[in-house]
Amino acid sequence: KNEVEQSPQNLTAQEGEFITINCSYSVGISALHWLQQHPGGGIVSLFMLSSGKKKHGRLIATINIQEKHSSLHITASHPRDSAVYICAGRGSGGGADGLTFGKGTHLIIQP
Amino acid sequence: DGGITQSPKYLFRKEGQNVTLSCEQNLNHDAMYWYRQDPGQGLRLIYYSQIVNDFQKGDIAEGYSVSREKKESFPLTVTSAQKNPTAFYLCASNTGTYNEQFFGPGTRLTVL
Repeated sequence: KNEVEQSPQNLTAQEGEFITINCSYSVGISALHWLQQHPGGGIVSLFMLSSGKKKHGRLIATINIQEKHSSLHITASHPRDSAVYICAGRGSGGGADGLTFGKGTHLIIQP
Repeated sequence: DGGITQSPKYLFRKEGQNVTLSCEQNLNHDAMYWYRQDPGQGLRLIYYSQIVNDFQKGDIAEGYSVSREKKESFPLTVTSAQKNPTAFYLCASNTGTYNEQFFGPGTRLTVL
């Protein structure tokens, strides 16, 4: 069983809609990453957070350590937001041995 | 511009051949990582290195080898022992264990 679970696996929405992607993890982590992967394959780090909430432009990430749950929100979604969004946990020891990844959420925003 | 470069972007090899994937970073990061991505699966850790001349196996190291002779470089060799090498390979680095990880553009390897 994967230690990091994302939902939904696939999401199609209309431009302008508010988007929420969820991530649950079953192991202790020191930080959680949200990543964006475009069709070409390259990955961009969106957020790294260990508590509370972070905001960057139209993107908001929250984490609840007690509930082992994080969410990524996109406000006023746009077709250019179409990508795979991946959450990844950094181990409680600092994650020196790398990240544990969810399988990703494939988001399509239709104009 | 600082960043991570991987080459080539697409790579084809015949079954039974070894192939080396390049990863170079000019971010002065100590730690480097190799991940493999397969359709429908999350990225999985192959090898990582915290410091020059030292590296550790990840979750799926069988059939792979690495070296870390220079801080900037962490090449990955996919050997003929790797049973299912066709995949997308990503290299990453970070400056310390608690810091953000940066990713390269990836190499898509296809074994014919």
